[in-house]
Amino acid sequence: NAGVTQTPKFQVLKTGQSMTLQCAQDMNHNSMYWYRQDPGMGLRLIYYSASEGTTDKGEVPNGYNVSRLNKREFSLRLESAAPSQTSVYFCASSEPSNRPGETQYFGPGTRLLVL
Amino acid sequence: KQEVTQIPAALSVPEGENLVLNCSFTDSAIYNLQWFRQDPGKGLTSLLLIQSSQREQTSGRLNASLDKSSGRSTLYIAASQPGDSATYLCALENQAGTALIFGKGTTLSVSS
Repeated sequence: NAGVTQTPKFQVLKTGQSMTLQCAQDMNHNSMYWYRQDPGMGLRLIYYSASEGTTDKGEVPNGYNVSRLNKREFSLRLESAAPSQTSVYFCASSEPSNRPGETQYFGPGTRLLVL
Repeated sequence: KQEVTQIPAALSVPEGENLVLNCSFTDSAIYNLQWFRQDPGKGLTSLLLIQSSQREQTSGRLNASLDKSSGRSTLYIAASQPGDSATYLCALENQAGTALIFGKGTTLSVSS
């Protein structure tokens, strides 16, 4: 049981390049999330997926797209990377909040540097 | 808009000391509140989750309390150890929302 896995662990991009961050969970959770963490800003929600086939914008969605490929996988795509997207990206999963006591489980993060 | 504030931003204590980390929020209509631990360069690990109907949760040396009326939660760490050194994040889920809203964290350093 690996929990939440993310690839790659670290990536350097040039401005304008594109890339996809991968996330997978093996806990059979319905909900998945993408956050970014910046110094002094805390974690902020980019996109989330309440269930397979649905996605919704979070607090900071501009410049990103997501795909909920199946129940296990939720990918985040940067179409044209900008230096402002330099950050640490975390994927998380959980059961829906109508099941009391369910927490979110986080992956180890992807560190992205955009030059 | 819900805002979550954690004070202090950083805290240094000697080993063995009891300490309290604070979290405040502006909207009391929350579903639950969680405390997470984050080690440098790592992901987040959930420590305690308090449902809105609960007042506190305990796990080992950790005790988290919730006072919705005053918009406050505290994380109490008893007999601190160097291994407790990490950043502690408070996060809550609004009744109307579907994801967590995080504070900026308190970075704790426990010296031996």
